[in-house]
Amino acid sequence: SQQGEEDPQALSIQEGENATMNCSYKTSINNLQWYRQNSGRGLVHLILIRSNEREKHSGRLRVTLDTSKKSSSLLITASRAADTASYFCATDRSQAGTALIFGKGTTLSVSS
Amino acid sequence: EAQVTQNPRYLITVTGKKLTVTCSQNMNHEYMSWYRQDPGLGLRQIYYSMNVEVTDKGDVPEGYKVSRKEKRNFPLILESPSPNQTSLYFCASRTQAGKLFFGSGTQLSVL
Repeated sequence: SQQGEEDPQALSIQEGENATMNCSYKTSINNLQWYRQNSGRGLVHLILIRSNEREKHSGRLRVTLDTSKKSSSLLITASRAADTASYFCATDRSQAGTALIFGKGTTLSVSS
Repeated sequence: EAQVTQNPRYLITVTGKKLTVTCSQNMNHEYMSWYRQDPGLGLRQIYYSMNVEVTDKGDVPEGYKVSRKEKRNFPLILESPSPNQTSLYFCASRTQAGKLFFGSGTQLSVL
C-alpha cells in the first residue's frame, strides 16, 4: 500500500548546490515526515510537518507541504558531501500514527 | 543516549530454522514497529505494537510473529524462515509526536 512517491529517484549535484526532492501522495494525511538513510543503516528523522502547516525549517533543510496538490518538497541548501544518502518521505494518515507509509526514496549523491 | 538496539546486525540461516531478532528501546515509547526494506519496494511495515500486549499486523505480516511482553522489548520471530524473507529489517519506536527512531538494522539471509 504505497502512499508517498519521491521524485526524482536519483539526484547528483556538486557541493554547495541546493538539492530539491519531491514527494506526492494519494490520500489525506495527518502529517508527513522526511527521513534520511545512509547506505544500509537505520533511518534518521529529519522533519515532521503537520497537515495544517505549509512550511518548516531545520538548519539547512526546508520542507513545504501543499495539501491541495498532495505534495511535499524537501530542500537541502548548500549541500555537502556528507548529505549523500537516501531520503524518504513518510505519510501518516492516522492520529495514532499506526499508518505511517514510506515512499521508495530519492538517492542523493553530492560530489566534492 | 536515546536509542533503539537491534541484534544481530547480520544473520545467515537456512530454510526452516527458527530465529529471533531482538529489539530494545530505552526511551519509554509505547509504540514500536518492525519494517523490512527490499530493493525497489522501499520500507514495508510487518507488525506494530501500540503498547504492552497489544500488537497488530502491518502490510506484510505473513511468516512473522511478534510479542510485546515488556514496553522496552519487541522481538521479531521467524518460526520457519524462507528465502523470500531475505531482507534488511528495521525495528523502530515512536514518540508521542509521531517521530520514529530506528535501529541500525539486521541484514538477514535465508539460504
